[in-house]
Amino acid sequence: AQTVTQSQPEMSVQEAETVTLSCTYDTSESDYYLFWYKQPPSRQMILVIRQEAYKQQNATENRFSVNFQKAAKSFSLKISDSQLGDAAMYFCAYRSEISGGGADGLTFGKGTHLIIQP
Amino acid sequence: DAGVTQSPTHLIKTRGQQVTLRCSPISGHKSVSWYQQVLGQGPQFIFQYYEKEERGRGNFPDRFSARQFPNYSSELNVNALLLGDSALYLCASSVRTGYEQYFGPGTRLTVT
Repeated sequence: AQTVTQSQPEMSVQEAETVTLSCTYDTSESDYYLFWYKQPPSRQMILVIRQEAYKQQNATENRFSVNFQKAAKSFSLKISDSQLGDAAMYFCAYRSEISGGGADGLTFGKGTHLIIQP
Repeated sequence: DAGVTQSPTHLIKTRGQQVTLRCSPISGHKSVSWYQQVLGQGPQFIFQYYEKEERGRGNFPDRFSARQFPNYSSELNVNALLLGDSALYLCASSVRTGYEQYFGPGTRLTVT
């Protein structure tokens, strides 16, 4: 079974600064997907960024980028120019590459609470 | 376009009771997944349905069951409620299995 570990329960950053959230995972699979989700106090889980394991290039979405190290099984999220609206719980998630109509349930870490200091 | 909707928003039940939670996927989405998120934890996968068939199940007891209707909406049922079932229940829909999952706002279940 796959596991996802987020070792930082809480992180704090000054507005406009850069912060990096850590995530490691354990799997024996070679094809999979990794995600970062944001969950604000409204509880709605919002997809921030995704990474396909077969792609060597790190994904980028505006101020959000990842550092994907497949051999090290590491998948960190970098948020540049932090904004007050970035304050939320951030969850790292893993999904297998499915075949044959199987399920693709996500495996989540425990989350990192990101605080933005004005 | 409407996103994933869930009802009710909040629910309070007593131990031993049964509860039904509802989810309507995004229009055009045929797959629905259910997750349980206990306070302070990440969501845990419960079920996935695609084209009205169960495609996967997480490590949850048989007290948890679900179904998907012809219009692709879904219900999650939990029997013989325990205090430990208190959680936020999230529904996510996708076009089909293997595609991006979009989450609803969740149903907060409190068991007393």
